[in-house]
Amino acid sequence: DIQMTQSPSTLSASVGDRVTITCRASQSISGWLAWYQQKPGKAPKLLIYKASILESGVPSRFSGSGSGTEFTLTISSLQPDDFATYYCQQYNNYSWTFGQGTKVEIK
Amino acid sequence: QVQLVESGGGVVQPGRSLRLSCAASGFTFRSYAMHWVRQAPGKGLEWVAVIWYDGTDKFYADSVKGRFLISRDNSKNTLYLQMNSLRAEDTAIYYCARDLRFLEWSPLGFWGQGTLVTVSS
Repeated sequence: DIQMTQSPSTLSASVGDRVTITCRASQSISGWLAWYQQKPGKAPKLLIYKASILESGVPSRFSGSGSGTEFTLTISSLQPDDFATYYCQQYNNYSWTFGQGTKVEIK
Repeated sequence: QVQLVESGGGVVQPGRSLRLSCAASGFTFRSYAMHWVRQAPGKGLEWVAVIWYDGTDKFYADSVKGRFLISRDNSKNTLYLQMNSLRAEDTAIYYCARDLRFLEWSPLGFWGQGTLVTVSS
């Protein structure tokens, strides 16, 4: 099975900060990587898929990059609405796995 | 608009069974692969199972393989998860989710609000 490892597990940041979250796959997943945002008590929301494609309606301050085994989610200027938990997910070759999550907290 | 509404959660004793349902609306249900994803209290997301748009293929997480069965009724626009031999570690919110794209390898684009399953004696 493909394992997904996110870092950091928790991130403290201020409004306006540039934030980067990393996701590493245990084997190559090409570009089959998605990022989700989840707020307490809510279902996850798709932000980015195929590593770098912004889902419709998602603010352009979110961006994704990477391929193979190393991926990043970047928030260019953190907004109050962005404090949440973020998950990466691989969906490669009939296999689906989430990372353990990164909680973005207010500093 | 796409709507996914889960039901069937509740408290169940270890070793017993429970069936979850997910009623879909706002899209052509028979055209999309559908998933179940769960989240234990205070924990991260865990993918559980997927069923192809026509029901021909199903895949499961190792943690539920042999105990859970995913199915769908395209005439009723409904997804199911039959959960047998339940364990305490199956306690979680269970979400149903739809593939983002039709007949295209894609992530989970739409999610229901979830239903809570508690396995406890």
